[in-house]
Amino acid sequence: QKEVEQDPGPLSVPEGAIVSLNCTYSNSAFQYFMWYRQYSRKGPELLMYTYSSGNKEDGRFTAQVDKSSKYISLFIRDSQPSDSATYLCAMSSWNTGNQFYFGTGTSLTVIP
Amino acid sequence: GAVVSQHPSWVICKSGTSVKIECRSLDFQATTMFWYRQFPKQSLMLMATSNEGSKATYEQGVEKDKFLINHASLTLSTLTVTSAHPEDSSFYICSAREGDNEKLFFGSGTQLSVL
Repeated sequence: QKEVEQDPGPLSVPEGAIVSLNCTYSNSAFQYFMWYRQYSRKGPELLMYTYSSGNKEDGRFTAQVDKSSKYISLFIRDSQPSDSATYLCAMSSWNTGNQFYFGTGTSLTVIP
Repeated sequence: GAVVSQHPSWVICKSGTSVKIECRSLDFQATTMFWYRQFPKQSLMLMATSNEGSKATYEQGVEKDKFLINHASLTLSTLTVTSAHPEDSSFYICSAREGDNEKLFFGSGTQLSVL
């Protein structure tokens, strides 16, 4: 079983839709959760960072962590064509040393 | 967020030559840097982890003599692809971690094409 599972999509939504992206994980020790956005032929850009459980909101983006279910989500409200990218989840723990564990990424296209 | 600068963005080289890629943390000290390889429409594949002042730790299957990593300072790590061959053509990305901060910041990536 992979440490982190993420549906690769592709996901296609109309402009203005609410997008839900998800990852599940198997290691209950994970405490730090990140969402990255990666445009084609660019490095990933850190969008959201969450420690432990709960919600975090930043503009149109909301990150949720449910440690009891080992499930994290990223919601994008009022999606825009510029949100079209691949979204990667990542996680780590103080006891995983230098290791960060990544999902495979979900490809999102927002259609104008 | 913190800035990681990676150069060059694109490089084309002849088979058998060596190519060096630089990764710099511009506004923080990176005790740990990571190097990844990414094929089209695939996720990041960790190649190696480097800590400042010590030898890099390579992932299984990555040739350390081919992919030389140097992390001589807290702000600079380099990846040298030695005796490059067409199969080394790929998108290479670095990332940097600030101290014990669990946030990871990425460079913009380098597209290597070996002719």
